[in-house]
Amino acid sequence: GENVEQHPSTLSVQEGDSAVIKCTYSDSASNYFPWYKQELGKRPQLIIDIRSNVGEKKDQRIAVTLNKTAKHFSLHITETQPEDSAVYFCAATSNTGKLIFGQGTTLQVKP
Amino acid sequence: NAGVMQNPRHLVRRRGQEARLRCSPMKGHSHVYWYRQLPEEGLKFMVYLQKENIIDESGMPKERFSAEFPKEGPSILRIQQVVRGDSAAYFCASSPQREINEQYFGPGTRLTVT
Repeated sequence: GENVEQHPSTLSVQEGDSAVIKCTYSDSASNYFPWYKQELGKRPQLIIDIRSNVGEKKDQRIAVTLNKTAKHFSLHITETQPEDSAVYFCAATSNTGKLIFGQGTTLQVKP
Repeated sequence: NAGVMQNPRHLVRRRGQEARLRCSPMKGHSHVYWYRQLPEEGLKFMVYLQKENIIDESGMPKERFSAEFPKEGPSILRIQQVVRGDSAAYFCASSPQREINEQYFGPGTRLTVT
């Protein structure tokens, strides 16, 4: 069935370092891959997304890469700041448009 | 996105009562998705609706749960005879058209069953 695996489940980095979160998906028909940031008690917030016709997308300190052959995609955050601390979720679309989410990565950026 | 509205933000129900959760999508959005997030867990898809139609309810429990998105008014997720295991955050998201798939989440309703 449809499944998205996300690693690592927790990630601790020093302020200024880079953070990388990886996801794999099972549905070869998936064509849209968003990333959400969720702070404690808040709603998931769309921070970046990528479509299947693109291999890489960048927005300031955030970038996402997609390898459709291998069915995996990654989030890269450079020059991390304490306010980047949150739970990050990757997701992939199914053929009906629903999002299948990964299990989440708790990122802690130490000042 | 602040445009997606959900109410109530917090809801406390006793076991056996009914819970009604409301979601108003962003202006111009006609697609609504409901997700459930259990404590310390990820988001699980429940149901996808368009106006007056259920498109995909593959994530909905077979009993006690129902959803609607009428021609006028908000989308409603209804849970009958709630049990403690229903305690969770329920988020709705909306998108302008299915091809875009960009789903923007509301603030969620945190349901507590006592």
